Amino acid sequence: QKEVEQDPGPLSVPEGAIVSLNCTYSNSAFQYFMWYRQYSRKGPELLMYTYSSGNKEDGRFTAQVDKSSKYISLFIRDSQPSDSATYLCAMTGLGNAGGTSYGKLTFGQGTILTVHP
Amino acid sequence: DAGITQSPRHKVTETGTPVTLRCHQTENHRYMYWYRQDPGHGLRLIHYSYGVKDTDKGEVSDGYSVSRSKTEDFLLTLESATSSQTSVYFCAIKGEGTDTQYFGPGTRLTVL
Repeated sequence: QKEVEQDPGPLSVPEGAIVSLNCTYSNSAFQYFMWYRQYSRKGPELLMYTYSSGNKEDGRFTAQVDKSSKYISLFIRDSQPSDSATYLCAMTGLGNAGGTSYGKLTFGQGTILTVHP
Repeated sequence: DAGITQSPRHKVTETGTPVTLRCHQTENHRYMYWYRQDPGHGLRLIHYSYGVKDTDKGEVSDGYSVSRSKTEDFLLTLESATSSQTSVYFCAIKGEGTDTQYFGPGTRLTVL
């Protein structure tokens, strides 16, 4: 079983829809959670970063973390065709015995999103 | 954009040949990472570096080696390329006191 599970989709929605993307994880040491957006044939770019549980909002994007359920979400409001991309969740935390993890990220496999006009 | 470049951007090679990919940064960041991306697997860590000459293995390190002789350069070597190493390779960097990584544009490698 993978440490981080993400539904690969593909997900296709009409312009203006609210999009919900999700990841579940099994490692309780994860404390820092990120969402990356990756356009076709490009490198991933950081979209959202959250620490521990709670919500964070940035424009049309909201990231939620529920550590008790080991579940994170990304919501996109008023989705646009330019949001069409692969969305990757990533997370990190303490290393073995509570030491440093050297910032190593564990990624979900990514969800392919298409927003059609 | 974070100052990260990767070279070459595309490469086609034959099974059994050695291949070296280069990652170059202008941010003077301590941490550098090599990932591979394959359909159905997302990004998987190959090797990482936490300083000059300080490197360690990631999740999928078999068949790969790395070197970092200068802060700005992190090299990934496939000693004898195999078809299973056909993939897109990404380099990433991270500064101190932050958890977020910034990625390069990627290298698309095909091993025939």
